Amino acid sequence: ETGVTQSPTHLIKTRGQQVTLRCSSQSGHNTVSWYQQALGQGPQFIFQYYREEENGRGNFPPRFSGLQFPNYSSELNVNALELDDSALYLCASSLAQGGGAHIQYFGAGTRLSVL
Amino acid sequence: EDQVTQSPEALRLQEGESSSLNCSYTVSGLRGLFWYRQDPGKGPEFLFTLYSAGEEKEKERLKATLTKKESFLHITAPKPEDSATYLCAVQAGFQKLVFGTGTRLLVSP
Repeated sequence: ETGVTQSPTHLIKTRGQQVTLRCSSQSGHNTVSWYQQALGQGPQFIFQYYREEENGRGNFPPRFSGLQFPNYSSELNVNALELDDSALYLCASSLAQGGGAHIQYFGAGTRLSVL
Repeated sequence: EDQVTQSPEALRLQEGESSSLNCSYTVSGLRGLFWYRQDPGKGPEFLFTLYSAGEEKEKERLKATLTKKESFLHITAPKPEDSATYLCAVQAGFQKLVFGTGTRLLVSP
C-alpha cells in the first residue's frame, strides 16, 4: 500500500507569482484535504475534495484553489503569492465511508518560501 | 467555533521519566479526536483516534485517553526517539480537522 506523496519538497517563489503543488493519495482513498502549517503552529485547513468535488473550505481567500482528478490525485494552486503564504503545505488522504470520523494520512509536505 | 488548546507548549524529560500531555477542546458534535506525531520538516504521523468519552488506546509507550472536555497522551518511560511535536486534532461536521499548536517533547538520554 503506497502512502501519500507530495511534490515538490521545496519551492522558492517571489511575491505575485503563482504556484502549483501536487499530491498523490494513498491507494484506495477517495478524499483529499489540504492544510497550511506556519512555523510553530498547527496545520490550518484550506479545503477538501471528495470524488472531484470541493467538500468544504476553511478561511482562505479565493486565490487558493484546488483540483482532484479521477485517480484521486490532487493539486493546490495559489495565485498572487504573498509573503505570508510561506509555510509547509500538507496534503492528507482518507477513505470516506458513512458519516463517522475518518483517519487522515499526511504526506511529508511541500515547503514554500515566498521572497 | 471549534477550538483545541494543548499544554504544555514544550516539555523536557529525562529518559525514563513518565509524563502526560494535555489537549482541551470545544466542539459541537465531536466525531473523533486524533493524536499525531510530527518530526521536524515532516508531515504528521497518525497515532490514535478516540471517538467517545472513556475510551483509551495504547501503542508501545503511549496511551491516549478521552473525556468530554479533554484528552491526555501519557508517555511511560520515554526514550530519546520519542522526541517530536505531538499534535491533537478534533473532527466535527464534515472531514475537516481542527488542530492545536502542539506540544514539543524533548527526551534527553
